[in-house]
Amino acid sequence: EAEVAQSPRYKITEKSQAVAFWCDPISGHATLYWYRQILGQGPELLVQFQDESVVDDSQLPKDRFSAERLKGVDSTLKIQPAELGDSAMYLCASSLVPGTTYNEQFFGPGTRLTVL
Amino acid sequence: QQQVKQSPQSLIVQKGGISIINCAYENTAFDYFPWYQQFPGKGPALLIAIRPDVSEKKEGRFTISFNKSAKQFSLHIMDSQPGDSATYFCAARSWEGAQKLVFGQGTRLTINP
Repeated sequence: EAEVAQSPRYKITEKSQAVAFWCDPISGHATLYWYRQILGQGPELLVQFQDESVVDDSQLPKDRFSAERLKGVDSTLKIQPAELGDSAMYLCASSLVPGTTYNEQFFGPGTRLTVL
Repeated sequence: QQQVKQSPQSLIVQKGGISIINCAYENTAFDYFPWYQQFPGKGPALLIAIRPDVSEKKEGRFTISFNKSAKQFSLHIMDSQPGDSATYFCAARSWEGAQKLVFGQGTRLTINP
């Protein structure tokens, strides 16, 4: 069964360091999403890609976060410098194309980030 | 700005009982309402979803009830089992713009054997 892959699964870093997360969506899925999930809360969308283009990054803290999907397939989310408040689960999801019926989003297992 | 409000935050139900989780929204542009189930250390997985042109959708033991006029929808889990113990999130998607999902805060469900 096709799955969204993410790595690493866990990351511990010190504040002010740089961290990067990788996501490989389900093959053929044009839309890719990065979410942040703080413990005890629902996922919050950080950035949405349609192929290689960003269609929504309104909630991405652009002073320290960046995301790219250069070839429209896999994607990298970077934080530089990391702050204590960035500790959270970072989830990647993918879907076929927005606007299709239901357009189900499939989530990866996430990367648990701890900033010390 | 919280667009989808979910309650309760936590719920304990006896095995065989009915679990009910409620959500409310304000944005009338929402046109798709999914429920996700999340186990510890895993990403959310789609459980069941509904569009506002129907008032109820049932899949096995899981039912969504939808009240468009009240802008409320709920998840009912019949004959709740210990394996249903997880965190449940309601969500809503707008037909406008990038059509992103907005999630509720989550309900931690525990089914006691």
